[in-house]
Amino acid sequence: DSGVTQTPKHLITATGQRVTLRCSPRSGDLSVYWYQQSLDQGLQFLIQYYNGEERAKGNILERFSAQQFPDLHSELNLSSLELGDSALYFCASSLSPIETQYFGPGTRLTVL
Amino acid sequence: DQQVKQNSPSLSVQEGRISILNCDYTNSMFDYFLWYKKYPAEGPTFLISISSIKDKNEDGRFTVFLNKSAKHLSLHIVPSQPGDSAVYFCAARNTGTASKLTFGTGTRLQVTL
Repeated sequence: DSGVTQTPKHLITATGQRVTLRCSPRSGDLSVYWYQQSLDQGLQFLIQYYNGEERAKGNILERFSAQQFPDLHSELNLSSLELGDSALYFCASSLSPIETQYFGPGTRLTVL
Repeated sequence: DQQVKQNSPSLSVQEGRISILNCDYTNSMFDYFLWYKKYPAEGPTFLISISSIKDKNEDGRFTVFLNKSAKHLSLHIVPSQPGDSAVYFCAARNTGTASKLTFGTGTRLQVTL
């Protein structure tokens, strides 16, 4: 158990809908990262927050947005969902941006 | 543009033998490399890392080797155990510009009895 929690574990929704994925970092970690893993692919970096502020952005679609709250938990919002958004979404956290990232168990999103 | 490549999608090794997983990268700005292990239905678990100022790092049965001139790193597992059966991801980062990790596509290791 890495100490990073993600909810929900599974999510099934329809095209055009909007969903919110939630992540709670390890106790004391200030940095949160979101990654997407599509079928048989490596993890693709989406976005990073550090102590509430956006720190780095990857190939995140405009339909996707994220934020980190004062209690340091983070949410990833996915809107106008398409079939191709079906994937595993992982959250990771680290004490600081240069420390090792520890991953949560992921949320499996299925868009029908 | 795949900056981190794991060209072997799968590897099968007998229990007790050495497992060698390979990873190549193209971005010369990467200065820190990590290996993660992933079991089905779980998130990646950090295994071992190496800074670009070193060429070897060892932790128990796991050793990572870095050849900067060849832009190549490898993970050695000795001796391999059935519990090592998992997908192994190589990841790299450029600490100076961003702490995001760039991952390879993974190698599925199966350790047979």
